[in-house]
Amino acid sequence: EVQLVQSGAEVKKPGESLRISCKGSGYSFTNYWIAWVRQMPGKGLEWMGIIFPADSDTKYSPSFQGQVTISADKSTNTTFLQWTRLKPSDNAMFYCARQNLGPHYLWYFDLWGRGTLVTVSS
Amino acid sequence: SYVLTQPPSVSVAAGKTASITCGGDNIGGKSVHWYQQKAGQAPVVIIYYDSARPAGIPERISGSNSGSTATLTISRVEAGDEADYYCQVWDYSSDLRVFGEGTKLTVL
Repeated sequence: EVQLVQSGAEVKKPGESLRISCKGSGYSFTNYWIAWVRQMPGKGLEWMGIIFPADSDTKYSPSFQGQVTISADKSTNTTFLQWTRLKPSDNAMFYCARQNLGPHYLWYFDLWGRGTLVTVSS
Repeated sequence: SYVLTQPPSVSVAAGKTASITCGGDNIGGKSVHWYQQKAGQAPVVIIYYDSARPAGIPERISGSNSGSTATLTISRVEAGDEADYYCQVWDYSSDLRVFGEGTKLTVL
């Protein structure tokens, strides 16, 4: 089955570090870009950035540049989203999503993980 | 940066037609994609390349794109269509993927 499986919900304190994961299976993982998308409580979808697991080429939204780190381990078909110091404003659901193959002007997200809920509270 | 504008909410009676718009500067020159997100679930693509439907998406869901507005149309609306809907494009000038603000569809 083609799927993206995300790690489980996390509860952290402000200032703590965190890394969540997204594992792809059922397809050629290194051939597809994987994006991370934030959804704050009751709010819309925000594209955070994207990585190409074959060579870890990464692009960030200016809103998230320097706030998070996106990485990948192609040996385990896994991408990661990492924070060094969490803030209460990082409370959100985080989705990983696969970008389809094709010319750049036709890119969209054809496969989504179920999301990882991150709760940051003292 | 490129901005996509959607109405916050649309209400429609069951059996009628719902239209959800997505406005952007010359959006007709871009490829628009639409996602449906039901409560407590991950988003799912329901329209890609302006008007193409993935396997399993019914024909009563359609899309169009011209000028400064893209439109998602849902005919014969059902209670199960109640969800949030998001448009999305790739902005070539910034190489960023952009989502609209989302529209909550309520079925009366």
